[in-house]
Amino acid sequence: QVQLVQSGAEVKKPGASVKVSCKASGYSFTEYYIHWVRQAPGQGLEWMGWINPNSGGTKYVQKFQGWVTMTRDTSINTVYMELNRLRSDDTAVYYCAREWGWRFDFWGQGTPVTVSS
Amino acid sequence: QSALTQPASVSESPGQSITISCTGTSSDIGDHSSVSWYQQHPGKAPKLIIYDVTHRPSGISHRFSGSKSGNTASLTISGLQAEDEADYYCSSYSRTNTLFGGGTKLTVL
Repeated sequence: QVQLVQSGAEVKKPGASVKVSCKASGYSFTEYYIHWVRQAPGQGLEWMGWINPNSGGTKYVQKFQGWVTMTRDTSINTVYMELNRLRSDDTAVYYCAREWGWRFDFWGQGTPVTVSS
Repeated sequence: QSALTQPASVSESPGQSITISCTGTSSDIGDHSSVSWYQQHPGKAPKLIIYDVTHRPSGISHRFSGSKSGNTASLTISGLQAEDEADYYCSSYSRTNTLFGGGTKLTVL
């Protein structure tokens, strides 16, 4: 069965970086884009962008350009999302999600990231 | 402010029906059939319940249905059950971007 398993919770200081992983299983890894979506405490979903696991191509929401990097390692069916220069308002749960035909049919369990001094 | 507009909250009694609206523009909802709805229970990841405006993924109850008129999409839940109490988010594709609504909290009284 399709599964996206994310890395564990992170606590970071302002200005630091965080790298969250998302390991895919149960399907052909390179055939589906992976998107990243975050959710601040008590807030709604915020789309961050996607990575094409086949080519490594990416698209980031303009807000995150120069600040987020999405990569993949096809040898272990894993994608990564790295966010730099963290601020307190980056505190959120970060989700990876598989896209199929402009819908997100499978989601990771979420990775809480807390940014605090 | 979210790109797609949803009511912040709705409430209804068990067994009744509710409809949640999601308003966008002619560049997103009005121009695409790629509207999706997600259900999110507290502390859980979102779950796809409607895609391509009206389609239900395998395993999703027939009590969930979707529609669209112009720039507004709607999610209807019939025969409300306690387990339907959750947050609901609409989503639409727009010019290579993905948009989400701000979410609607459904309370089953």
